[in-house]
Amino acid sequence: LAKTTQPISMDSYEGQEVNITCSHNNIATNDYITWYQQFPSQGPRFIIQGYKTKVTNEVASLFIPADRKSSTLSLPRVSLSDTAVYYCLVGRGNTGKLIFGQGTTLQVKP
Amino acid sequence: DAGVIQSPRHEVTEMGQEVTLRCKPISGHNSLFWYRQTMMRGLELLIYFNNNVPIDDSGMPEDRFSAKMPNASFSTLKIQPSEPRDSAVYFCASRIGLLDRGDNGYTFGSGTRLTVV
Repeated sequence: LAKTTQPISMDSYEGQEVNITCSHNNIATNDYITWYQQFPSQGPRFIIQGYKTKVTNEVASLFIPADRKSSTLSLPRVSLSDTAVYYCLVGRGNTGKLIFGQGTTLQVKP
Repeated sequence: DAGVIQSPRHEVTEMGQEVTLRCKPISGHNSLFWYRQTMMRGLELLIYFNNNVPIDDSGMPEDRFSAKMPNASFSTLKIQPSEPRDSAVYFCASRIGLLDRGDNGYTFGSGTRLTVV
């Protein structure tokens, strides 16, 4: 499974756009890139998944460059309720394993 | 859909006692995963099942840990005997299949917070 590297923590203010970048230099051809969000005292929640270029849903956008060695999760106009830990995960092959890294703790301030 | 249901939400037990955590996956999901989360080690995958069969238990820390999935709608994680270092939040997750097909991923339960004193 490809190793991922993301910032340990980030601060932002309400209304700002937040971009969290994840590095995954060893991503394999068939790997997808997935982001999860975890609030305190809750299990992780799927946010978005992509393979290449750009994916957008009602929560976030995911930008993936052509070489796929990194990806950027973009949260538009964050609010206090977006304070959470965000995990970037890459690939599972056909093993079914979902391995979490340390994640990025996002703190949104008023 | 009620989502992945775990019970109990909180469990406090004394060292040496047996602890059983329970999970009901989402109906129709045929893969089930048990995770443990601590501040020091983050989220660790303990074991997962596909069609009720254990596929990989390499993350189970010791023989004191065991997991079963007797049917498609129920799984247990048992710790016997429990130790203070087992204190953590235990999450159960489920999904359809194992292959990553660009779908909506895993659904996690709310977890069981275990404290062993």
